[in-house]
Amino acid sequence: RKEVEQDPGPFNVPEGATVAFNCTYSNSASQSFFWYRQDCRKEPKLLMSVYSSGNEDGRFTAQLNRASQYISLLIRDSKLSDSATYLCVVANQAGTALIFGKGTTLSVSS
Amino acid sequence: GAVVSQHPSRVICKSGTSVKIECRSLDFQATTMFWYRQFPKQSLMLMATSNEGSKATYEQGVEKDKFLINHASLTLSTLTVTSAHPEDSSFYICSARAQTGPSTGYGYTFGSGTRLTVV
Repeated sequence: RKEVEQDPGPFNVPEGATVAFNCTYSNSASQSFFWYRQDCRKEPKLLMSVYSSGNEDGRFTAQLNRASQYISLLIRDSKLSDSATYLCVVANQAGTALIFGKGTTLSVSS
Repeated sequence: GAVVSQHPSRVICKSGTSVKIECRSLDFQATTMFWYRQFPKQSLMLMATSNEGSKATYEQGVEKDKFLINHASLTLSTLTVTSAHPEDSSFYICSARAQTGPSTGYGYTFGSGTRLTVV
């Protein structure tokens, strides 16, 4: 089982749509969770950390279910500029490095 | 915020030559830096963890004699791809964690990456 698994997509949605991405991780001892965004041929950039209580940042909502080892990202009112690859990221057990999922590609069209 | 500068951004080299990639933390000290590699349509894979003043820790399957890492100061780590071959062509990205602060997302800053093409 891969350490971090995501549905690769692509997700093709119209502007204004709501889209949800899912992610599962294998190491139950993982402590820190994040969503990163990566544009084509660029470095990943932190979108948001994910907390057990769930957290929201504008149109973006992240959820964590430790029992199921499941992380989600919800994007509301999609914009063209949201088109990118979204990476589910888990800090390793030692908390010293990040483990990346393959990413889910989102394409928002007008 | 924390900035990590990575150079070069793109390099094309001949098979059999060596290429050095630099990763600098510009406004903070990084006791630990990480080197990742990303092949097309694949996830970033951690290659090694670089610790200032000590030997790097390599992930399983990464040849330490081929990918030489030097972390001689708190602001600079280098990755040298020795005797490069076409299969080493990839996107190499470094990341640094600030010396202070919790291990949260903001603590990990990425360089802009180096696209290596070996011909």
